[in-house]
Amino acid sequence: ILNVEQSPQSLHVQEGDSTNFTCSFPSSNFYALHWYRWETAKSPEALFVMTLNGDEKKKGRISATLNTKEGYSYLYIKGSQPEDSATYLCAFQGAQKLVFGQGTRLTINP
Amino acid sequence: DTGVSQDPRHKITKRGQNVTFRCDPISEHNRLYWYRQTLGQGPEFLTYFQNEAQLEKSRLLSDRFSAERPKGSFSTLEIQRTEQGDSAMYLCASSLASLSNSPLHFGNGTRLTVT
Repeated sequence: ILNVEQSPQSLHVQEGDSTNFTCSFPSSNFYALHWYRWETAKSPEALFVMTLNGDEKKKGRISATLNTKEGYSYLYIKGSQPEDSATYLCAFQGAQKLVFGQGTRLTINP
Repeated sequence: DTGVSQDPRHKITKRGQNVTFRCDPISEHNRLYWYRQTLGQGPEFLTYFQNEAQLEKSRLLSDRFSAERPKGSFSTLEIQRTEQGDSAMYLCASSLASLSNSPLHFGNGTRLTVT
């Protein structure tokens, strides 16, 4: 059974602060690592798909890094805003299916 | 591109009844996935299709669950003899298999409540 772990499970951050969280995944049979943002009452929305060791992706104030050899990815949010409040999911893609972690629930306090 | 649509949005059923959900993926997407999500957990893989072929089904799924994608377009997920433990959000997603970095596009989900 593939194990994808995210930490922390939940996080409260003051508006304007920067934050980061982790996704750990198997280092074998790697194909891609996905990050999604899931806001309440909406469907999950793709942030990044990373395929190469050492990949770094950026979208506005959000960025992600990937280490496939040791099996982890970090998601960073710079200068948190209230609209960043959401659950952030990572998903490990092996040969075929995607396996999700349990998510990090981020709450931005104004 | 109208996105992924799922029907119904909500379903309340009594234990023992059968239910069927429908998913219409983005038209040019050949991969279609079903996931189940319960409170506090991430989406749990159920099954996926490439075109009309069901390529993998979770071993966690009992025989009460079946999915089809008869013409490689829309898909249905049926749960027979529902149990209270089946209460969850059922998510459908689609993607393009030909792109190595193709993200999943999710529908809004069907929330099932078994009473």
